[in-house]
Amino acid sequence: GAGVSQSPSNKVTEKGKDVELRCDPISGHTALYWYRQSLGQGLEFLIYFQGNSAPDKSGLPSDRFSAERTGGSVSTLTIQRTQQEDSAVYLCASSLGSLGTGELFFGEGSRLTVL
Amino acid sequence: AQSVSQHNHHVILSEAASLELGCNYSYGGTVNLFWYVQYPGQHLQLLLKYFSGDPLVKGIKGFEAEFIKSKFSFNLRKPSVQWSDTAEYFCAVRPNFGNEKLTFGTGTRLTIIP
Repeated sequence: GAGVSQSPSNKVTEKGKDVELRCDPISGHTALYWYRQSLGQGLEFLIYFQGNSAPDKSGLPSDRFSAERTGGSVSTLTIQRTQQEDSAVYLCASSLGSLGTGELFFGEGSRLTVL
Repeated sequence: AQSVSQHNHHVILSEAASLELGCNYSYGGTVNLFWYVQYPGQHLQLLLKYFSGDPLVKGIKGFEAEFIKSKFSFNLRKPSVQWSDTAEYFCAVRPNFGNEKLTFGTGTRLTIIP
């Protein structure tokens, strides 16, 4: 596609429910990143994929968070047993190869609200 | 681990004023530095980047930033701002090898008054 596509754009869920957030990167981009943007917190790194493998998943806040990427393309971020502190905008970005190209292309984000 | 500080949380300027947004990073080795911008209702996009060479880098829309290694700083500047520059600005740093993680600051909200 023309840009990074994320769905859903908005998700309201009840505490304790599981949610899945999807990211469709720019075609041909091998690197994919998930960040979380909370009010006043900036962008918090969650996980990075190179192809289908995740060399760096150091930012996942707890074992309730997981992510996978299949076919070197679409990625899914899953949050189990959601908590109110999980409310944030979840951003996906992709880049062509490594960050040596210098630019991440971001999607518009998935806004998650946990009631 | 690297970190980024943006000391200005919210800056309000009138049109035509000069702008300087502060960015300081903490990392002992060589780094790549970036400024990203998020206009209202839009996604984050790259404003400019520094990898090596001339420490004064120019980006889109008349923005520039200067890398001062001795001060661990990468401040963003623009001589004369416009109303359309109203946005949130994020500084980011990445070690120049290995780890692909881009670490962002907390952002500076810029409001330009017409």
